[in-house]
Amino acid sequence: DQQVKQNSPSLSVQEGRISILNCDYTNSMFDYFLWYKKYPAEGPTFLISISSIKDKNEDGRFTVFLNKSAKHLSLHIVPSQPGDSAVYFCAASVTIKAAGNKLTFGGGTRVLVKP
Amino acid sequence: GAGVSQSPRYKVAKRGQDVALRCDPISGHVSLFWYQQALGQGPEFLTYFQNEAQLDKSGLPSDRFFAERPEGSVSTLKIQRTQQEDSAVYLCASSFRDISYEQYFGPGTRLTVT
Repeated sequence: DQQVKQNSPSLSVQEGRISILNCDYTNSMFDYFLWYKKYPAEGPTFLISISSIKDKNEDGRFTVFLNKSAKHLSLHIVPSQPGDSAVYFCAASVTIKAAGNKLTFGGGTRVLVKP
Repeated sequence: GAGVSQSPRYKVAKRGQDVALRCDPISGHVSLFWYQQALGQGPEFLTYFQNEAQLDKSGLPSDRFFAERPEGSVSTLKIQRTQQEDSAVYLCASSFRDISYEQYFGPGTRLTVT
């Protein structure tokens, strides 16, 4: 039972254009969502996050959109740069006091930005 | 400052052997998580520590898996009698507070069971 799904395993985009990564979830208890970026042989690194009380969060070239009714979030990267080539993971969390915030991850989307 | 470190980076074990994987979290981080990442998939939660207390071990796949963090800093994930299905990358992550969404990941230990 995959609670977080990234239906596109890969994405190829031209440098300077927009990259749009999508993520769907099924658990309505999720109240915080994150995007992580992963290079080969390294651990995931935090990119951007959004609380369920918001529908948009922006940080430089990265914007995350949340549509709670559709249980869908997306990550926009504008403009895309060759250094953005990596695997991107969507993750979600349920806030449980004194029990940590374990993350539930999607399967990842491999992004290739062509110069 | 130093990030999360893990050792060894690569481990090859014969089926049936016991292995121990080490995680050094960022100094002062209260929360520590272990995740398992199978090839081509996203990380999956194994267990969670708040300081030295193991508060959630719901993701451990069997009783062959055991984790500890005795002094609230370094953690060890032990797998007894390894099986081929245990082959994966084991990721450790830490975060500053007990409620902190941003987790800092180590590079992982790639375990191959032959």
